[in-house]
Amino acid sequence: KAGVTQTPRYLIKTRGQQVTLSCSPISGHRSVSWYQQTPGQGLQFLFEYFSETQRNKGNFPGRFSGRQFSNSRSEMNVSTLELGDSALYLCASRESPGQGAYEQYFGPGTRLTVT
Amino acid sequence: DAKTTQPTSMDCAEGRAANLPCNHSTISGNEYVYWYRQIHSQGPQYIIHGLKNNETNEMASLIITEDRKSSTLILPHATLRDTAVYYCIVRGRGNAGNMLTFGGGTRLMVKP
Repeated sequence: KAGVTQTPRYLIKTRGQQVTLSCSPISGHRSVSWYQQTPGQGLQFLFEYFSETQRNKGNFPGRFSGRQFSNSRSEMNVSTLELGDSALYLCASRESPGQGAYEQYFGPGTRLTVT
Repeated sequence: DAKTTQPTSMDCAEGRAANLPCNHSTISGNEYVYWYRQIHSQGPQYIIHGLKNNETNEMASLIITEDRKSSTLILPHATLRDTAVYYCIVRGRGNAGNMLTFGGGTRLMVKP
């Protein structure tokens, strides 16, 4: 079974621009979560999608948004990029957010650098 | 979620077993112990989880003490590719448990 895939793997953007990152979950997994990882803040939860609906959201400004498609693929968008948005963005999938579905499988991440 | 305590770093010789301890003395009855690892510049990788019985899979074994206040992750034959930061996480049931939080972890260095 193929793992979680994320595209692109590396991205360089300029302040003020916007960016869209893509995640394809493991086949059969319908829950997709997004995380931001930085050396200073560690791993921070952004949001989770299940059945095309956002189920949980972390403490990030409205510039961070996401969506999920009917095939469970997900995208996240960051508008008006700031230097502090430079980070590794990770996508994780699991079968569902329900009880028992505790294992989350992470993708390799997208390394975003904002200059 | 219960707090966990892990050593900051450990070394292991290649081919030997790596035993990574984790203390979670405030764990409650319905909380699971999860282990993840993160190799430099890659996403976290799920390794194994357990409730109270010892567990084994193709990657590792998880030994949980009878009082559940501590556990040990065992990599039976460590390789150089097992060099990573290993995170022990205790998490309860339910939808709220999808927000994964990693602590400091143990930096395992496997040496030739």
